[in-house]
Amino acid sequence: GAVVSQHPSWVICKSGTSVKIECRSLDFQATTMFWYRQFPKQSLMLMATSNEGSKATYEQGVEKDKFLINHASLTLSTLTVTSAHPEDSSFYICSARGGYNQPQHFGDGTRLSIL
Amino acid sequence: AQTVTQSQPEMSVQEAETVTLSCTYDTSENNYYLFWYKQPPSRQMILVIRQEAYKQQNATENRFSVNFQKAAKSFSLKISDSQLGDTAMYFCAFMKWDNDMRFGAGTRLTVKP
Repeated sequence: GAVVSQHPSWVICKSGTSVKIECRSLDFQATTMFWYRQFPKQSLMLMATSNEGSKATYEQGVEKDKFLINHASLTLSTLTVTSAHPEDSSFYICSARGGYNQPQHFGDGTRLSIL
Repeated sequence: AQTVTQSQPEMSVQEAETVTLSCTYDTSENNYYLFWYKQPPSRQMILVIRQEAYKQQNATENRFSVNFQKAAKSFSLKISDSQLGDTAMYFCAFMKWDNDMRFGAGTRLTVKP
């Protein structure tokens, strides 16, 4: 149980395009989903927290207009990187939590490469 | 703000031996949760073990156990009978009640045959 599916697993695109990453909880309802960014050999850095039906809460230093997060249902959250540039290249991981005090279950991540 | 410190960037252990990974954290909260996650080369995040701060008994999961010292704010992970498949990055994480999770910098563990 507690499976989180993240798609795509790898995307390469040209600078200036927008990229959408999906995060789905397959067998539970995720009241809260989280988006992380991980640079090579570094830890996970929280970008934003999203609760179903409300606006995402962004961490300090994360541009909300660049990283659009939508959590329209209890099983789906999306992260859209708008007008992506090479410096946005990174590994993006989502996680979902079924309720208070529950551990986060992670997707397999998306490797984003901007040329 | 809560901080999580993993002071060992890299560690190695011989197969079948025991290894302990260190983690300390800083918080003024009394109720919280602590986790160890494993990230193998595939980069998938796998929950290894969790500990509720209100529980005095140390959590165990098969070959994995923790030494939770609440007063010292220490949460170490012991891996017994290490296996080659245990080679991975290990992240210690702290979570306050109904809040997000904060991760340490990670420890890269290599199990040698």
